[in-house]
Amino acid sequence: DIQMTQSPSSLSASVGDRVTITCQASQDISNYLNWYQQKPGKAPKLLIYDASNLETGVPSRFSGSGSGTDFTFTISSLQPEDIATYYCQQYDNLPRFTFGPGTKVDIK
Amino acid sequence: EVQLVESGGGLVQPGGSLRLSCAASGFTFSSYSMNWVRQAPGKGLEWVSYISSSSSTIYYADSVKGRFTISRDNAKNSLYLQMNSLRAEDTAVYYCASLAYVVNAFDIWGQGTMVTVSS
Repeated sequence: DIQMTQSPSSLSASVGDRVTITCQASQDISNYLNWYQQKPGKAPKLLIYDASNLETGVPSRFSGSGSGTDFTFTISSLQPEDIATYYCQQYDNLPRFTFGPGTKVDIK
Repeated sequence: EVQLVESGGGLVQPGGSLRLSCAASGFTFSSYSMNWVRQAPGKGLEWVSYISSSSSTIYYADSVKGRFTISRDNAKNSLYLQMNSLRAEDTAVYYCASLAYVVNAFDIWGQGTMVTVSS
């Protein structure tokens, strides 16, 4: 089974800061990776699909990159409404899906 | 409005059963593959099960295989999860989520329903 790791597990940053989260797969998954945002008490929301494609309606300060085993999710300028936990999700072995453990983002 | 609404959660004793439902509206439910995803209290997301649009393909996570059964009724725009032999570790919020039509991502999510397995 493919294992996913994320780092850091949590971070605290100031409004306007650039925030970067990494996701690593235990084996090559090409670009079969999505990113979700989950705010407290809410359902997850799709932000990025296929590693680097922005979902319709998602602000352009969110971006993703990477392929193979190493992926990066970036918020170019952190906003107060971005406080959430962010999860990567791989789908190399469709239709099975695996989520990363999540990264909690707070405002400093 | 595109919407998924789960129901059927509650408190059940270990070894018991529960049936979750997910009602879809605002989109052509019969064209979409569907999934169940769960989240234990304070924990991350765990994919549970997948069903294709025609119910011809079904998959389960190893943690629920043999105990949970996913099904759907396209005429009723509804998705179901029959959960048997429940364990304490099945305690979680259960979400239904649709698999986007052209990309392999979960684009529509319900609000979740809480299942608590405890004596």
